Amino acid sequence: AQSVTQLGSHVSVSEGALVLLRCNYSSSVPPYLFWYVQYPNQGLQLLLKYTTGATLVKGINGFEAEFKKSETSFHLTKPSAHMSDAAEYFCAVSLMDTGRRALTFGSGTRLQVQP
Amino acid sequence: NAGVTQTPKFQVLKTGQSMTLQCAQDMNHNSMYWYRQDPGMGLRLIYYSASEGTTDKGEVPNGYNVSRLNKREFSLRLESAAPSQTSVYFCASSDRDRRNYGYTFGSGTRLTVV
Repeated sequence: AQSVTQLGSHVSVSEGALVLLRCNYSSSVPPYLFWYVQYPNQGLQLLLKYTTGATLVKGINGFEAEFKKSETSFHLTKPSAHMSDAAEYFCAVSLMDTGRRALTFGSGTRLQVQP
Repeated sequence: NAGVTQTPKFQVLKTGQSMTLQCAQDMNHNSMYWYRQDPGMGLRLIYYSASEGTTDKGEVPNGYNVSRLNKREFSLRLESAAPSQTSVYFCASSDRDRRNYGYTFGSGTRLTVV
């Protein structure tokens, strides 16, 4: 079975500072990895995904993530935080090459951006 | 707009009442899912349907039933609601195409059981 661990339920950064949200996964087969963002009282919006190919993935709103198989990690970064980035972020994994393709989510990281 | 539509958006139930949450997608996706979201726990899978005519339990199926009515629709039923089922429920769908592999989520149903 797969699992996802997001380190830090709350992260606070200053506007303009680097954003780093950590995600580690466990999986017995090559995973597909996702980051979603959720703004208050809204649904989930896909930021980026890794399926195959290039391990550095660029997403929307200036975010990117790097798949590191040796570290079983898929950390999300953004060079310069903006006030509008304040939201909750979820890392998720699915196992494409098995019959079960449902996403397994981490518990989420709430990002606060200080002016 | 193409996507996943959930109804209702909000619902308040009394303990013991029943209700059905509706979900429909118009993207011709094969797989559909129901999740619940609770604070500090992320989203947890309740049931999923890999294709029309099949359903399987997820991580937290107790107290729920599902029906994959056709390829478009996947409903979630609470037969006898309990306060522990107070949550936000999300429906999602996905395609098998590896090149465009991804999940589309509905906007959610906020359910309160009193």
